[in-house]
Amino acid sequence: QKEVEQNSGPLSVPEGAIASLNCTYSDRVSQSFFWYRQYSGKSPELIMSIYSNGDKEDGRFTAQLNKASQYVSLLIRDSQPSDSATYLCAVLTSGTYKYIFGTGTRLKVLA
Amino acid sequence: KAGVTQTPRYLIKTRGQQVTLSCSPISGHRSVSWYQQTPGQGLQFLFEYFSETQRNKGNFPGRFSGRQFSNSRSEMNVSTLELGDSALYLCASSIRGANEKLFFGSGTQLSVL
Repeated sequence: QKEVEQNSGPLSVPEGAIASLNCTYSDRVSQSFFWYRQYSGKSPELIMSIYSNGDKEDGRFTAQLNKASQYVSLLIRDSQPSDSATYLCAVLTSGTYKYIFGTGTRLKVLA
Repeated sequence: KAGVTQTPRYLIKTRGQQVTLSCSPISGHRSVSWYQQTPGQGLQFLFEYFSETQRNKGNFPGRFSGRQFSNSRSEMNVSTLELGDSALYLCASSIRGANEKLFFGSGTQLSVL
């Protein structure tokens, strides 16, 4: 079992819809969770971080964390074609400086 | 403020050779981590350095090594290159290395022939 799992996609959504991206992790002591966006040919850039159970909203983005289910998700409201990218889930295990990344979900927003 | 700088941008090597990649972090950032990115495996953690000390290492063979200098610049070395080492190598920096945003460089694209 991979440490951080994501559906590779592609996930296709129409413009204006809500895109829902999911991530599960295996290490129960994981403490910090991050979503990075990577455009084709570019480096990853952080869009959201979440540390406690529940929802965290930032503009059109909402991160959701459920530590009991070892599940973290990212919702993108009012999806735009410019949101088309690969979204990487990253997990930091408590007491380490090792960020484990999922393989990413490719999102395509159709105009 | 200048971003994370990685050099060179592209490298072509042959099997058996060795290679050194360089990473200059954002000024004031003392943590530098290295990742290998391939289409099939995604981003895989190689190692992390803070104040010239390696604090964490990923599951890569000993052919992969790194170091950090007193100015926080870091180098990564791969010896006895194999075809499977062809990948994009990304370096990321942060202030302390824990619970923080990672700032990534543009990467070095290594091709092993």
